[in-house]
Amino acid sequence: GAGVSQTPSNKVTEKGKYVELRCDPISGHTALYWYRQSLGQGPEFLIYFQGTGAADDSGLPNDRFFAVRPEGSVSTLKIQRTERGDSAVYLCASSLTTGDTEAFFGQGTRLTVV
Amino acid sequence: QKEVEQNSGPLSVPEGAIASLNCTYSDRGSQSFFWYRQYSGKSPELIMFIYSNGDKEDGRFTAQLNKASQYVSLLIRDSQPSDSATYLCAVKGGGFKTIFGAGTRLFVKA
Repeated sequence: GAGVSQTPSNKVTEKGKYVELRCDPISGHTALYWYRQSLGQGPEFLIYFQGTGAADDSGLPNDRFFAVRPEGSVSTLKIQRTERGDSAVYLCASSLTTGDTEAFFGQGTRLTVV
Repeated sequence: QKEVEQNSGPLSVPEGAIASLNCTYSDRGSQSFFWYRQYSGKSPELIMFIYSNGDKEDGRFTAQLNKASQYVSLLIRDSQPSDSATYLCAVKGGGFKTIFGAGTRLFVKA
């Protein structure tokens, strides 16, 4: 595609429910990042994929969060037993390679846990 | 101490003036430094990156890096109302993780 696509753009869920957030990176980009951004804060690193493997998942806040990228393209961020504190904008970014200077961001998924 | 610190602002400058945005970082091993612009409700977009000490210019934008002082700045010359946004400083070490500051809100008055 022309840019990084994230779906849904908005998601409202009840506390305790399971959600999946999808990221479709720019075609050919091997590096994929997930970030979380709360109001008034900068993006907070969650996880990085190089190809199919998670090269760095040190930013995942706890074991309720998990992400996959089974074919090295589309990635899904999965959140179990959602909590109100999970409410934020979840941003996905991709870059051509690991060392590439520019990461392109998607428009984000605004997650609201009620 | 936060890993990447920025003054939250808002920084208000008149149209045509120079806007100066500053950022400090804690990890001396940091290697790559980025400035992103984020309009309200939008995703960040890269303005500039810098790796080496000194200045790097691109149009109206100049990034300055001082690794000894662990300081990076962004100057915007001839500021325009369309430059009004939040500016995020981001720092990458030797690994894959990029750490963002909380951002500085810039307001350019017409």
